[in-house]
Amino acid sequence: EDQVTQSPEALRLQEGESSSLNCSYTVSGLRGLFWYRQDPGKGPEFLFTLYSAGEEKEKERLKATLTKKESFLHITAPKPEDSATYLCAVQAQGTDKLIFGTGTRLQVFP
Amino acid sequence: NAGVTQTPKFQVLKTGQSMTLQCAQDMNHEYMSWYRQDPGMGLRLIHYSVGAGITDQGEVPNGYNVSRSTTEDFPLRLLSAAPSQTSVYFCASRSGTGGSPLHFGNGTRLTVT
Repeated sequence: EDQVTQSPEALRLQEGESSSLNCSYTVSGLRGLFWYRQDPGKGPEFLFTLYSAGEEKEKERLKATLTKKESFLHITAPKPEDSATYLCAVQAQGTDKLIFGTGTRLQVFP
Repeated sequence: NAGVTQTPKFQVLKTGQSMTLQCAQDMNHEYMSWYRQDPGMGLRLIHYSVGAGITDQGEVPNGYNVSRSTTEDFPLRLLSAAPSQTSVYFCASRSGTGGSPLHFGNGTRLTVT
């Protein structure tokens, strides 16, 4: 069964303190792995798509990486405005459906 | 460019009432879908559509109906609301290309008493 597990559930960081969020997945052939950011009361906002092991994508203080079993979202020198819930999702080959993890709630305090 | 628009933002229903959650997108996306988000359970797929006139069930379809008469609109109908349907509902769309990201609306928060 296709599955996505995110850890930790919650993470508190001081401004400037770099860290990583983990997304472990099992899927019968990966079509794509997606990272989203969700602010309270809003819908998820797309960040990155990764398609194959070894691929990396960067956007400002965020960098996403992918292996055959997991993806990491690295946050370098975070700022309070990076506080949000980060969601990971996978799409298997031959399907239109995305399977979502339960997210990591990130708080960055000054 | 509005993207994905959901109405209403908030709704309170009594058990047994019916209602329709509206979703419209202006990106000419072929694929549209409905998710519900509950604490500790992540986003779960209710129904989806790969084009006008075509719909299919997701992970948690019971108690919900959908139809897709146009490319732009994908309404979600609750036939007889139950307290278990209290949730936040998100509509999302993407282009037909495999592996394209979903674009989400800002959700409808539904409470069933």
